[in-house]
Amino acid sequence: GDSVTQMEGPVTLSEEAFLTINCTYTATGYPSLFWYVQYPGEGLQLLLKATKADDKGSNKGFEATYRKETTSFHLEKGSVQVSDSAVYFCALRAGTYKYIFGTGTRLKVLA
Amino acid sequence: EAGVVQSPRYKIIEKKQPVAFWCNPISGHNTLYWYRQNLGQGPELLIRYENEEAVDDSQLPKDRFSAERLKGVDSTLKIQPAELGDSAVYLCASSSRRDRWEETQYFGPGTRLLVL
Repeated sequence: GDSVTQMEGPVTLSEEAFLTINCTYTATGYPSLFWYVQYPGEGLQLLLKATKADDKGSNKGFEATYRKETTSFHLEKGSVQVSDSAVYFCALRAGTYKYIFGTGTRLKVLA
Repeated sequence: EAGVVQSPRYKIIEKKQPVAFWCNPISGHNTLYWYRQNLGQGPELLIRYENEEAVDDSQLPKDRFSAERLKGVDSTLKIQPAELGDSAVYLCASSSRRDRWEETQYFGPGTRLLVL
């Protein structure tokens, strides 16, 4: 079945460091791919998305490129801030509106 | 625009008691999802509604869980009786189906349930 695998956390970085959180997927067909962010005590917020191969989603300095050949959608940010500390979820949506989420990666940014 | 509203935010009950969660989706959103998020995990779908019809309830434990979405707007998720393993965060999300490829889910803050 469809699945999402993302790197285990926590990821701890110093402020202004470069961030990469890896995400790979398994799916039949051509899923849409998403990154969500969850701050403590809150629900998930959509961070960015890509709906077809080679699309690049970007928002708030974060970006991710839909790579069909490597079935990946890695999240990157050039310079993280303390306020980016949260849990990040990679997700895919199969054709029938079914969303599959990864287990989440906790990011901790130190001042 | 108001976001997805859920209540209560927190609930502590003893096992075997009933519990209910309420969700008010974003106005105009005809698709509504209920998810369960266990500690340290991603959300897992329990049920999806299109308007008032439950179109995917394959992951809903029907022996103890029930849901309804009367009039295709607000929704209630119930557990009766609750078990220790039901402790989790219950998330509601909604989306508009205007454009299939642009469909985006918006999540509520969730209800954190602790069963003692």
